[in-house]
Amino acid sequence: AQTVTQSQPEMSVQEAETVTLSCTYDTSESDYYLFWYKQPPSRQMILVIRQEAYKQQNATENRFSVNFQKAAKSFSLKISDSQLGDAAMYFCAYRTNNAGNMLTFGGGTRLMVKP
Amino acid sequence: GAVVSQHPSRVICKSGTSVKIECRSLDFQATTMFWYRQFPKQSLMLMATSNEGSKATYEQGVEKDKFLINHASLTLSTLTVTSAHPEDSSFYICSATPLGPPHQPQHFGDGTRLSIL
Repeated sequence: AQTVTQSQPEMSVQEAETVTLSCTYDTSESDYYLFWYKQPPSRQMILVIRQEAYKQQNATENRFSVNFQKAAKSFSLKISDSQLGDAAMYFCAYRTNNAGNMLTFGGGTRLMVKP
Repeated sequence: GAVVSQHPSRVICKSGTSVKIECRSLDFQATTMFWYRQFPKQSLMLMATSNEGSKATYEQGVEKDKFLINHASLTLSTLTVTSAHPEDSSFYICSATPLGPPHQPQHFGDGTRLSIL
């Protein structure tokens, strides 16, 4: 079974600065998907960014980018120019490429943004 | 974009009551929907995979007689918490993946906060 680990329960960053959230995973598969989801206090699950394992290029979405290291099974999220609205829980998630489409979530990292 | 509607958003009821939560995909069809449970300050834990036209697949440790799942159509899945007790109080979230091109991301409902008195 796949596992996803987020080793940082909490992180804080100064507004306008950059922060990196860590995520590692364990799998025996070679083809899969990785995601970062944001959950603000409203508890909505918002997709931030996704990465296909077969792609070597790191995904980027505006201020959000990932550092995907397939051999190391690492998938960190970098938030540049942090904004107050970035404060939320962030969950790393793994999805198998097999039938089912189920997601396995990490334990989450609470990001605080200081003004 | 794809929208998943989850209803109700908040339920407060007495112990022993059965509670039904609906998950609807509003502008797409989904053969598979997922039900998650989230305790305060914790991650989402998959409870079951809801399959249209067939029985749900439950994760280990989830009582299928306690958490009844029905996936009657390609746009609706329901989770019924039967004879709910205070320990069932939690935040429940559904998600669905659209039919069509493979490997599309899951779309989440806004969740249901269940409080059993």
